Amino acid sequence: AQKVTQAQTEISVVEKEDVTLDCVYETRDTTYYLFWYKQPPSGELVFLIRRNSFDEQNEISGRYSWNFQKSTSSFNFTITASQVVDSAVYFCALSEAGNFNKFYFGSGTKLNVKP
Amino acid sequence: DGGITQSPKYLFRKEGQNVTLSCEQNLNHDAMYWYRQDPGQGLRLIYYSQIVNDFQKGDIAEGYSVSREKKESFPLTVTSAQKNPTAFYLCASGVGDEQFFGPGTRLTVL
Repeated sequence: AQKVTQAQTEISVVEKEDVTLDCVYETRDTTYYLFWYKQPPSGELVFLIRRNSFDEQNEISGRYSWNFQKSTSSFNFTITASQVVDSAVYFCALSEAGNFNKFYFGSGTKLNVKP
Repeated sequence: DGGITQSPKYLFRKEGQNVTLSCEQNLNHDAMYWYRQDPGQGLRLIYYSQIVNDFQKGDIAEGYSVSREKKESFPLTVTSAQKNPTAFYLCASGVGDEQFFGPGTRLTVL
């Protein structure tokens, strides 16, 4: 069964718009970690955030914010006032306690921010 | 600078040839990983190693081989048995539940 689902394949916005990238996950573990990575055109994955399953507080980092809701198994990522430099593919990932070697990646959402 | 290096950035191979992708890290991480990424898809785990001289198969290990003779190095060999090797390959190293990624190698089979 798919562990991480990113239903939005591609999103296009105009600069300064807000945009939310959706991530839904599936796990039977009570302890797990969720991640977001950014992959710019260069290809390297850039770590954005890690959140453990016991911490449901929303987090804000500059223009980025994350909404973790265990009740809906979602870990959504919002970019406020998007910029052209935000254009990239964004991946959500899950790792389960006791199995930290395995990351389950979603298929990614390609974000296009137009000037 | 601490980090993960992969070489080469682009690699071309003739069908039927083996090719080895390099991955080096100076982060002193015990764990290292190899992932494959195909267009429009997420990353799939090929092999991982938690310690020197030990490694395990991931989800798509067929047609690939690895070695872990040094903590810093985890080379991946794409063998002729891999039927569809053209892809983007990412190496990562990690500690605990975090993973850090290299810049990737794009392999094209001609």
